[in-house]
Amino acid sequence: DIQMTQSPSTLSASVGDRVTITCRASQSISSWLAWYQQKPGKAPKFLIYKASTLESGVPSRFSGSGSGTEFTLTISSLQPDDFATYYCQQYSSSPFTFGPGTKVDVK
Amino acid sequence: QVQLQESGPGLVKPSETLSLTCTVSGGSISSSSHYWSWIRQPAGKGLEWIGRIYSSGSTKYNPSLNSRVTISIDKSNNQFSLKLSSVTAADTAVYYCASSGNYYDYFDSWGQGTLVTVSS
Repeated sequence: DIQMTQSPSTLSASVGDRVTITCRASQSISSWLAWYQQKPGKAPKFLIYKASTLESGVPSRFSGSGSGTEFTLTISSLQPDDFATYYCQQYSSSPFTFGPGTKVDVK
Repeated sequence: QVQLQESGPGLVKPSETLSLTCTVSGGSISSSSHYWSWIRQPAGKGLEWIGRIYSSGSTKYNPSLNSRVTISIDKSNNQFSLKLSSVTAADTAVYYCASSGNYYDYFDSWGQGTLVTVSS
């Protein structure tokens, strides 16, 4: 299985901050990476696919980059609605695996 | 995008079989455009993909659960189902159904999730 890691596990930030989350894969996954946002008690919300392509309707303050084994999710200016946990997921090979999550909370 | 809704018992006894159903609306489960998956999340923990089914009935399971999992499809009711046998407390989680495309394996539609507790 491809193992996914994320850093940091928790990130404390303020509204307006630029936030960057890193996701690493245990082997190359090319650009087959997705990002999700999850709020407490809710299902994950799909944000980004193929490492950098925003799903329709996702605000442009979100961006993704990377390829191979290292990826980043950046929020250019954190908004109140963005406080949540973020997960990366590889879909290069089955079983499809998720990172452990990064919680973005209020500083 | 399709909408998905999970249903099933919220409490299952240890060693018994967990059974959940996902009802699909806004699209046909027979569509050749989607795969239908189950994903779970223990409280306070991360997400684990359980397995998926295609409209043809073809399945793929996570090897970590392979021997205990069965996913089936009911085209007449636009539903797909999960059965997980010999459950233990470690199977307590929120279970989500989700869809992906037939040429991509990220999950662009999710159900709201249903909590299943394994306890006597």
